[in-house]
Amino acid sequence: NAGVTQTPKFQVLKTGQSMTLQCAQDMNHNSMYWYRQDPGMGLRLIYYSASEGTTDKGEVPNGYNVSRLNKREFSLRLESAAPSQTSVYFCASSDTLFTGELFFGEGSRLTVL
Amino acid sequence: QKEVEQDPGPLSVPEGAIVSLNCTYSNSAFQYFMWYRQYSRKGPELLMYTYSSGNKEDGRFTAQVDKSSKYISLFIRDSQPSDSATYLCAMIIIQGAQKLVFGQGTRLTINP
Repeated sequence: NAGVTQTPKFQVLKTGQSMTLQCAQDMNHNSMYWYRQDPGMGLRLIYYSASEGTTDKGEVPNGYNVSRLNKREFSLRLESAAPSQTSVYFCASSDTLFTGELFFGEGSRLTVL
Repeated sequence: QKEVEQDPGPLSVPEGAIVSLNCTYSNSAFQYFMWYRQYSRKGPELLMYTYSSGNKEDGRFTAQVDKSSKYISLFIRDSQPSDSATYLCAMIIIQGAQKLVFGQGTRLTINP
């Protein structure tokens, strides 16, 4: 049982480049999330999708866009990467929005030079 | 001031010790409380979930909630090296504008 799968696991970008982080879940969950994790800052919510067809901004959305492609997939796009976006990104999913257990992927480590 | 405060540590204790991890919060609207465990280079996994004041036990782990003091704790008895991880508290508001907020996480090392 794969759970939540994120790709890529590692990426190095130059300032100004763009990239998309992919996330897919196989648990038939309605809600999906993108978090970033930085030392001393905990997990901060970037964007979330309560259900297929909806997306909403979280705590730190600037510089990011998302697409809920279908019920399984939720992608995060950096249009013009900045060094401040160097972080570990986690995708998560849950059956209902913000309640119950969140299931996390293993993370994508992004470095922006 | 952050809504949820958690001492980031690091915390290092000998094997077999009792560990106490704590979070305080400022928003009395938080109703559900959770602890997640995150091993190095992995995603967080749910460890404990509770919604009422008092204690909830699961094996060597006890989650304690004191809503009057806005304080939650996670106790680990007979700590093992395999408990070495980062522990994140998390809290949920479910009425009105729903929200889930994580603490900063406490990095714990259990020394054999």
